[in-house]
Amino acid sequence: AQTVTQSQPEMSVQEAETVTLSCTYDTSESDYYLFWYKQPPSRQMILVIRQEAYKQQNATENRFSVNFQKAAKSFSLKISDSQLGDAAMYFCAYVRGNEKLTFGTGTRLTIIP
Amino acid sequence: SQTIHQWPATLVQPVGSPLSLECTVEGTSNPNLYWYRQAAGRGLQLLFYSVGIGQISSEVPQNLSASRPQDRQFILSSKKLLLSDSGFYLCAWSGWDGNYGYTFGSGTRLTVV
Repeated sequence: AQTVTQSQPEMSVQEAETVTLSCTYDTSESDYYLFWYKQPPSRQMILVIRQEAYKQQNATENRFSVNFQKAAKSFSLKISDSQLGDAAMYFCAYVRGNEKLTFGTGTRLTIIP
Repeated sequence: SQTIHQWPATLVQPVGSPLSLECTVEGTSNPNLYWYRQAAGRGLQLLFYSVGIGQISSEVPQNLSASRPQDRQFILSSKKLLLSDSGFYLCAWSGWDGNYGYTFGSGTRLTVV
């Protein structure tokens, strides 16, 4: 069965600095998708960034980028120029096709002004 | 572009009362639809998913049921709510929007009293 592990329950970063959230996963599949979701206090799950496993190029979305290491089954999220609005729970998730998402346990990110 | 609507945002219901939460998707056809529940401080648990009209799969036996009367409409119901049904409910859809996407609605906070 697929599993997703987020080993950092909590992280903090100074405003305007860079922070990296780690995520590892376990799968025997070669074709799948990985996501990072942000869940602010409103509890809405907001898609931050997605990565297709067949693409070697790391995905980027403005200040958010990933380091996707397929062989190592690692999918870390880098947030550059951290802003107060980035404070939230961040969930890493894996899915293969139109199946249910497998989530990590989340990392609570605090931004220090 | 695809959008997903979920309502109501907040609901307080007495034990034993019925429940109906609705989710609709716009801008896509034949989406896969999902209902998740998140207890406070916990991860997301998949409750139901649907690959088409009238096709419902249940992940967890419980007091809830789901229906898909139209292609882009997904309803979560209960005949008699229990205290343990309290939680945050999220609808989601998956499919292609140029890239493979897995998008959540804004959620419903249900409190059973």
